Amino acid sequence: DQQVKQNSPSLSVQEGRISILNCDYTNSMFDYFLWYKKYPAEGPTFLISISSIKDKNEDGRFTVFLNKSAKHLSLHIVPSQPGDSAVYFCAASAQQGAQKLVFGQGTRLTINP
Amino acid sequence: NAGVTQTPKFQVLKTGQSMTLQCAQDMNHEYMSWYRQDPGMGLRLIHYSVGAGITDQGEVPNGYNVSRSTTEDFPLRLLSAAPSQTSVYFCASKGGNSNQPQHFGDGTRLSIL
Repeated sequence: DQQVKQNSPSLSVQEGRISILNCDYTNSMFDYFLWYKKYPAEGPTFLISISSIKDKNEDGRFTVFLNKSAKHLSLHIVPSQPGDSAVYFCAASAQQGAQKLVFGQGTRLTINP
Repeated sequence: NAGVTQTPKFQVLKTGQSMTLQCAQDMNHEYMSWYRQDPGMGLRLIHYSVGAGITDQGEVPNGYNVSRSTTEDFPLRLLSAAPSQTSVYFCASKGGNSNQPQHFGDGTRLSIL
């Protein structure tokens, strides 16, 4: 049973436009959510997170939105840059301290010049 | 800062062989974990440790052993390698119980023939 789902395996966006990556979850106990970015042959790199007590968190070009009633979160990147081309993973935790993460399948984002 | 260091980067084994994947972190993090990533899937938690001398199972622990004799090191042992264990393995660490993100190593790509 996939508790965290990223239903879009890939996404292509023009440079300078907004990229929106989506993630759905089923476990109501999840209270902390993260987005990781991964380049080939490297480990995932933390991008941004959000606690369930918030509905938005912003860090520079990256904003994460959380809709608890819909069990949905999204990552907005604006403006998109070529260096943003990577695989993005959504992850969730139901445990204080975010020790045990459950990951989505990932979305491959390609930014076209 | 070295961060999280995994060795080896690549390994090919024959079915039935055993081996140890090494993971070391220099950030004095209490929490360490091992994940595996398979094609089309997100990272799945194998084992984790909340401190020296304490380990516990994650989502997919079968066929793997871990130990945590020091804060810095968290080796993952494959007891008798099987083709189903062909995967990319990531080690991660994080500090304390706060909602700090996990930091990942660059992975070990393991092939079992």
